Amino acid sequence: EAGVAQSPRYKIIEKRQSVAFWCNPISGHATLYWYQQILGQGPKLLIQFQNNGVVDDSQLPKDRFSAERLKGVDSTLKIQPAKLEDSAVYLCASSRNGGEKTGGIYEQYFGPGTRLTVT
Amino acid sequence: KNEVEQSPQNLTAQEGEFITINCSYSVGISALHWLQQHPGGGIVSLFMLSSGKKKHGRLIATINIQEKHSSLHITASHPRDSAVYICAVVRDSNYQLIWGAGTKLIIKP
Repeated sequence: EAGVAQSPRYKIIEKRQSVAFWCNPISGHATLYWYQQILGQGPKLLIQFQNNGVVDDSQLPKDRFSAERLKGVDSTLKIQPAKLEDSAVYLCASSRNGGEKTGGIYEQYFGPGTRLTVT
Repeated sequence: KNEVEQSPQNLTAQEGEFITINCSYSVGISALHWLQQHPGGGIVSLFMLSSGKKKHGRLIATINIQEKHSSLHITASHPRDSAVYICAVVRDSNYQLIWGAGTKLIIKP
């Protein structure tokens, strides 16, 4: 099966500019995650979608970050305006299911990530 | 104190050596992931454990639920094993994934 697709792979922007990332999850995966990984740290969950609904966005800086998954398939993450501290790798992941009690926990499949540099 | 601690943070070894990376956690969990991240690349899930031991090729993962500890072992290490290895646990109270900071492994030929 095809993996999680992300684009672009690399992006360099100046602070105060806007940027958008795109993710296409594995076909049939209901749950989609966006993570931010700053160099030297583990990933931090920004937002989790179940189909086209938001399950968890508690760590999303909503004053500048937004995400949508309108048709329950692919998703976009936007930053407007960008700050220097937004420089990180943005990872998208998908799973068959997530956060459900029955049936246990399903593995997440990760995309290649988008490396953002804000100058 | 972080809820997931990995050790060591950095590890350099010679090709062929047996490698052990440790993960300790302080919360109740329903599962634990070991993942691999190559420089500039995405993350690959290696194992998901809830008890006991799993083996895949030269990789072995073990978990001791009572001691809240897991280890990832690599036998006959090879330079292509060089990567960051990340431990992540699924908190059983809300199924939130909590990530360790990762262990950077370098295998020299």
